[in-house]
Amino acid sequence: AQSVTQPDIHITVSEGASLELRCNYSYGATPYLFWYVQSPGQGLQLLLKYFSGDTLVQGIKGFEAEFKRSQSSFNLRKPSVHWSDAAEYFCAVGPSNFGNEKLTFGTGTRLTIIP
Amino acid sequence: DTGVSQNPRHKITKRGQNVTFRCDPISEHNRLYWYRQTLGQGPEFLTYFQNEAQLEKSRLLSDRFSAERPKGSFSTLEIQRTEQGDSAMYLCASSQGAALHFGDGTRLSIL
Repeated sequence: AQSVTQPDIHITVSEGASLELRCNYSYGATPYLFWYVQSPGQGLQLLLKYFSGDTLVQGIKGFEAEFKRSQSSFNLRKPSVHWSDAAEYFCAVGPSNFGNEKLTFGTGTRLTIIP
Repeated sequence: DTGVSQNPRHKITKRGQNVTFRCDPISEHNRLYWYRQTLGQGPEFLTYFQNEAQLEKSRLLSDRFSAERPKGSFSTLEIQRTEQGDSAMYLCASSQGAALHFGDGTRLSIL
């Protein structure tokens, strides 16, 4: 069965500092990988996705993520965070067969930004 | 693209009552998903439609839960005889390709 681990429940960073959120997955084949962001009381917004090809993927809002098959990881990074980045971040894994986008999510990492 | 729309945004009900939520997906999307999210957790898959056909249901979806998508457009999720443990955010998502687009959810509170 597929699973996702986000080891950091809560991270606090200063505005302007760099950010890395960790994600490890378990899946029997090549997965589709996603990062979503959720602001309080809202739904999830897709930041970026990895299907194949270049292992460094660029997303919206200046985020990027790197797929490392050997480490079963898909960490999210941003070189300089803004106060508006404060939110909950979810990593998700899905099957790589087109037509079934059922995703398994991690438990999330809450990001707090301090001035 | 008006996005995925969910109504109501918040539902408060007494234990034992029935509730129904509605989801209007992005118009050209033929796949529709329901997820449930409890406090401090990620979304958990409940069920999935391709057009009007319900193709998969999670074990989380007990007999008290039923979902429909009668004409392959909007979908409803009904919970009968609600219990305290049903308190959660119910999220709907739609897709045409390989990424889900989520609505803002319906928060269910059981008194």
